[in-house]
Amino acid sequence: NAGVMQNPRHLVRRRGQEARLRCSPMKGHSHVYWYRQLPEEGLKFMVYLQKENIIDESGMPKERFSAEFPKEGPSILRIQQVVRGDSAAYFCASSPGGPGSETQYFGPGTRLLVL
Amino acid sequence: AQSVAQPEDQVNVAEGNPLTVKCTYSVSGNPYLFWYVQYPNRGLQFLLKYITGDNLVKGSYGFEAEFNKSQTSFHLKKPSALVSDSALYFCAVRDTPYYSSASKIIFGSGTRLSIRP
Repeated sequence: NAGVMQNPRHLVRRRGQEARLRCSPMKGHSHVYWYRQLPEEGLKFMVYLQKENIIDESGMPKERFSAEFPKEGPSILRIQQVVRGDSAAYFCASSPGGPGSETQYFGPGTRLLVL
Repeated sequence: AQSVAQPEDQVNVAEGNPLTVKCTYSVSGNPYLFWYVQYPNRGLQFLLKYITGDNLVKGSYGFEAEFNKSQTSFHLKKPSALVSDSALYFCAVRDTPYYSSASKIIFGSGTRLSIRP
């Protein structure tokens, strides 16, 4: 039973480029969450999605950031026109719908470095 | 708003000694509390959670946590520390919107646990 998968594990981009981070939830999980961890800091919530719906995007920056979780395929976190301040570890988590949804299981993260 | 606080940035313990990592919370309604551990360059691993029931919750790797409502605390404990327990530990609380059983988790700032041989 594979856990939460994220790719790539490491991503290097130059300022102004686009970054696409992918997350495949655990089998049977329909809820996906994205968090960002800046160096030496805790995790900050960004967005919560269910299939084809954004449920809570209160932690998403207003510009350049977007997320989707299509009916088929992984969830995508997209950062347009990256800046150095976007350098961080981005973690995806998933949970099942219904009972047990309070526990989230995390992927290994994507470490984004913006040059 | 829900929040958790971890008052210690770092905790140092000798191997074999008991360890405690502190966490206090502030919630409206019933708290859903968690502990996660993060090893270097890895994702977070779930250790344990308190939803309801017994105040002493047992989790992975011999860890346990005690929910104390009067002190609004949820300290993580282990009777005998191992060098391999050295990692970054996060206390967390689940946001509790009325409309969903699933919602975002709010993390504390983390406590770095260092176990010396």
